[in-house]
Amino acid sequence: GENVEQHPSTLSVQEGDSAVIKCTYSDSASNYFPWYKQELGKRPQLIIDIRSNVGEKKDQRIAVTLNKTAKHFSLHITETQPEDSAVYFCAATTDNYGQNFVFGPGTRLSVLP
Amino acid sequence: DTEVTQTPKHLVMGMTNKKSLKCEQHMGHRAMYWYKQKAKKPPELMFVYSYEKLSINESVPSRFSPECPNSSLLNLHLHALQPEDSALYLCASSQVSLRAGGREQYFGPGTRLTVT
Repeated sequence: GENVEQHPSTLSVQEGDSAVIKCTYSDSASNYFPWYKQELGKRPQLIIDIRSNVGEKKDQRIAVTLNKTAKHFSLHITETQPEDSAVYFCAATTDNYGQNFVFGPGTRLSVLP
Repeated sequence: DTEVTQTPKHLVMGMTNKKSLKCEQHMGHRAMYWYKQKAKKPPELMFVYSYEKLSINESVPSRFSPECPNSSLLNLHLHALQPEDSALYLCASSQVSLRAGGREQYFGPGTRLTVT
């Protein structure tokens, strides 16, 4: 089955700096890679996703890159703000009927003012 | 409407009780999920329903029993739980496949379960 690793487990950055979180996956059949942000006591919320036929996707301050050959994908947050502080989870899944989502262990991001 | 709702928000139950968690969505999604999340851990998949049929059961103990009465509703029936089952239980929904319109998962707010 799929296995997703995520690094670092904690990350502290100064406000305005960039943050990068990296994930690796094991199943070459995985073809959809979402990133979720979860604030304390709240539900996970999708912030960006990427499909395997795309190498990079950007949405304002957030971008995701995918390297299918190396089986890793990364989240990039630029111009970080205190409200970006949260736990970020990556995940991987395939497009097959009924396939599950496998989450990485999470990265706790702290943006220091 | 892009919301998944869950009831109750909080639940405290004894080990001999029977209770049910409920989840509802009206986005036309045909895949619905139950996750268990312990503190400082990622969501852990329990069950997946696709087109109202159970498609994945991740070796979950039988004291958890899922039910999907129709395409909008998902229940999780609880019986004879253990204290270690205390966690946040999240429901989510999505399209079944990328071809159907994407597999973006929408999560409900969760039910905080405490087993005493």
